[in-house]
Amino acid sequence: KQEVTQIPAALSVPEGENLVLNCSFTDSAIYNLQWFRQDPGKGLTSLLLIQSSQREQTSGRLNASLDKSSGRSTLYIAASQPGDSATYLCAEETSGSRLTFGEGTQLTVNP
Amino acid sequence: DVKVTQSSRYLVKRTGEKVFLECVQDMDHENMFWYRQDPGLGLRLIYFSYDVKMKEKGDIPEGYSVSREKKERFSLILESASTNQTSMYLCASSLSYAGGGYTFGSGTRLTVV
Repeated sequence: KQEVTQIPAALSVPEGENLVLNCSFTDSAIYNLQWFRQDPGKGLTSLLLIQSSQREQTSGRLNASLDKSSGRSTLYIAASQPGDSATYLCAEETSGSRLTFGEGTQLTVNP
Repeated sequence: DVKVTQSSRYLVKRTGEKVFLECVQDMDHENMFWYRQDPGLGLRLIYFSYDVKMKEKGDIPEGYSVSREKKERFSLILESASTNQTSMYLCASSLSYAGGGYTFGSGTRLTVV
């Protein structure tokens, strides 16, 4: 059974810090690794999609990496802001476009 | 801007009612999905569809059915709503069977009383 694990479960940092969220997955037959953001009571917003042939993707202050051999992905957030406070979910997409989600990291950025 | 649109943001229904949750995507995606999200349980797949008039059971299909009469529209049906179906329901679409990333709707918060 595919499993996706996210560490840490919760993180609280002061504004301006650089931070790393970790995601590990067990299925090596990965098609894509996708990072999402979820605000309380809202839907999921896609942040970055890394295809299996890629090693990283960048969007603004966000950078996500993918290492298939070790089954790991990281989301790097530079110069964090209070508006970055949310739950961050990683998900592995495998054959049949099936997604397996991690439990999420709840991030709080304090002013 | 491409979108997945869920028809209702909040719904309150009575036990035993038949409930329809509607989802429309404008990206010409082949695949559509319905998830529910509950605290401590994460996102769980209810049903999905790879094409018009096709449907596949996900991990928790009991008490639900779906309809996909047109490519862009995927409906989730609660045949007889129960209080344990109170949840956040999320619709999503993806490009094809071979993957391509997901786009989610903004969610429907359903309360069954």
